Amino acid sequence: DGGITQSPKYLFRKEGQNVTLSCEQNLNHDAMYWYRQDPGQGLRLIYYSQIVNDFQKGDIAEGYSVSREKKESFPLTVTSAQKNPTAFYLCASSIWAGRTTGELFFGEGSRLTVL
Amino acid sequence: AQTVTQSQPEMSVQEAETVTLSCTYDTSENNYYLFWYKQPPSRQMILVIRQEAYKQQNATENRFSVNFQKAAKSFSLKISDSQLGDTAMYFCAFMKPKEYGNKLVFGAGTILRVKS
Repeated sequence: DGGITQSPKYLFRKEGQNVTLSCEQNLNHDAMYWYRQDPGQGLRLIYYSQIVNDFQKGDIAEGYSVSREKKESFPLTVTSAQKNPTAFYLCASSIWAGRTTGELFFGEGSRLTVL
Repeated sequence: AQTVTQSQPEMSVQEAETVTLSCTYDTSENNYYLFWYKQPPSRQMILVIRQEAYKQQNATENRFSVNFQKAAKSFSLKISDSQLGDTAMYFCAFMKPKEYGNKLVFGAGTILRVKS
């Protein structure tokens, strides 16, 4: 079945460690996104990418990094520079190339807890 | 910058009754999309309904309908005949079309609990 797969679902990290969250899609979508979800704040955009080898910072990119080497994959690294990384992270994708309906398709999310 | 406001952090409704979730937004754009997304306890977000700003007719998807008031910048979601499976967090979202990457701006969400 087509969809977006995020892994791991739960991740624990010690302070000072970098961690990478995986996001893979088989929907042949051009655009991919990372959102952070905190209670009472909705979803905030971290990074997004419209095409391979290109990505843009969102509203809260500090302390995060991404890569887009393949169309299907958009991993997110949470670095030690992120001051408050404990959160729920959602990956999403959408059709682009000028044919937009605006709909985003989401993965099931990854919960990161810093110990 | 666009902002989306959901003024109801939590709501509850009896099964089979109707409930309305509120959303207001701020933009200077004339053409845009508005969405309602549902996030059930399983956590996977799914699209409930979409409205294009240039369309005057309110969007409807089965038991879900919207009341889109462009001048007032209001976009409420009405759920009719509420079911237990409607229990979820609901997010209102805004998008300016043809902007690089289809960025959505989300509200803070409303937790809806359907009671039996």
